[in-house]
Amino acid sequence: ENVLTQSPGTLSLSPGERATLSCRARQSVSSTYLAWYQQKPGQAPRLLIYGASSRATGIPDRFSGSGSGTDFTLAISRLEPEDFAVYYCQQYGGSPPGTFGQGTKLEIK
Amino acid sequence: QVQLQESGPGLVKPSETLSLTCSVSGYSISSGYYWGWIRQPPGKGLEWIGSIYHTGSTYYNPSLKSRVTISVDTSKNQFSLRLTSVTAADTAVYFCAKSGLWLFDYWGQGTLVTVSS
Repeated sequence: ENVLTQSPGTLSLSPGERATLSCRARQSVSSTYLAWYQQKPGQAPRLLIYGASSRATGIPDRFSGSGSGTDFTLAISRLEPEDFAVYYCQQYGGSPPGTFGQGTKLEIK
Repeated sequence: QVQLQESGPGLVKPSETLSLTCSVSGYSISSGYYWGWIRQPPGKGLEWIGSIYHTGSTYYNPSLKSRVTISVDTSKNQFSLRLTSVTAADTAVYFCAKSGLWLFDYWGQGTLVTVSS
């Protein structure tokens, strides 16, 4: 099983700042199959990034994904108040398929 | 616009079977894609439970495989989850979702299922 470890567990930043979230896999993940989701309290997750770096429909360009192999990053260039949420990475081509990281909580400082 | 809606009992007794249904609108399940279930224990992360392809092929998380059955009813445009022998550890919000392979692009709002006597 390919375990995804996200860091930090909690990230405290102010609106306007840049956020950098990390996702590290125990085994190499094809970039084609790495995604990021955003989840706000009481809501379902929303797909942000797929294929490690492609934004999903309607996602603002302040969100960007990068990385390859075992190390992937989600960056948010200028934090808006609505960006404070929990973020999950997911590998969707491995075994078992659909494995999620444990999440990073982005909170307002 | 694809929409998904979970339904089912919010309270299940230990050792019994959890049954949920996901109703899909805006897209015909029989036309394609995978249809899956993901759960989230209170205050915790996401766990993929399993998925069904529109042809009926199923894929389950190995950690739950012995207790899970996912089925599809194309005539009603619904798919369902059965989880047997539940314990308190199965208490969670259960989401249904549409996916291309295992990339979940449309989600239901989720339904809380509590396992308690």
